[in-house]
Amino acid sequence: DGGITQSPKYLFRKEGQNVTLSCEQNLNHDAMYWYRQDPGQGLRLIYYSQIVNDFQKGDIAEGYSVSREKKESFPLTVTSAQKNPTAFYLCATGPGAETQYFGPGTRLLVL
Amino acid sequence: KQEVTQIPAALSVPEGENLVLNCSFTDSAIYNLQWFRQDPGKGLTSLLLIQSSQREQTSGRLNASLDKSSGRSTLYIAASQPGDSATYLCAVKGAQKLVFGQGTRLTINP
Repeated sequence: DGGITQSPKYLFRKEGQNVTLSCEQNLNHDAMYWYRQDPGQGLRLIYYSQIVNDFQKGDIAEGYSVSREKKESFPLTVTSAQKNPTAFYLCATGPGAETQYFGPGTRLLVL
Repeated sequence: KQEVTQIPAALSVPEGENLVLNCSFTDSAIYNLQWFRQDPGKGLTSLLLIQSSQREQTSGRLNASLDKSSGRSTLYIAASQPGDSATYLCAVKGAQKLVFGQGTRLTINP
């Protein structure tokens, strides 16, 4: 069954804690993206990777980190430096420049 | 810097009506424009993609137009149904990335 999986669906973070959101794909797409969505707003790009072992900062990278060790995986870590992490996080993949396919999302909440 | 605006932010109409959602963008140097649907708490589903050289795309009851010179796109939904209730986002593709509007939350009342 092809697609993009994100886990967990809900994630709770305590003050000062780093948390990692998972994104896995079996679509064989080269490019992967992480977006943040706040209520009533569009998506803002956090990081993207166009090829394994390479990634670029998006518009709001501060307080986040990523890795791209495998083509299938692009985990996002929300560090303690991100002071307002509560949001809906969406991972996307793309075969090229044309379009992107989105995962189901992870909602991050702060305790 | 590209900016994408969607008007209205929310729209509520009776079932069966035809409706238009609007999207405007500030930089006409785009590769394509895409309309997405998002159900509450879910990811995005692509509805229509219009290349910069095209004027419109159609899929079933949906028709999207693009006027690149004026920086505008519309999504036309014919004979709306309660199942069309969702948030609709437009996004323009630049050299490296998609830039999204904030979305229009659509409610179709039975």
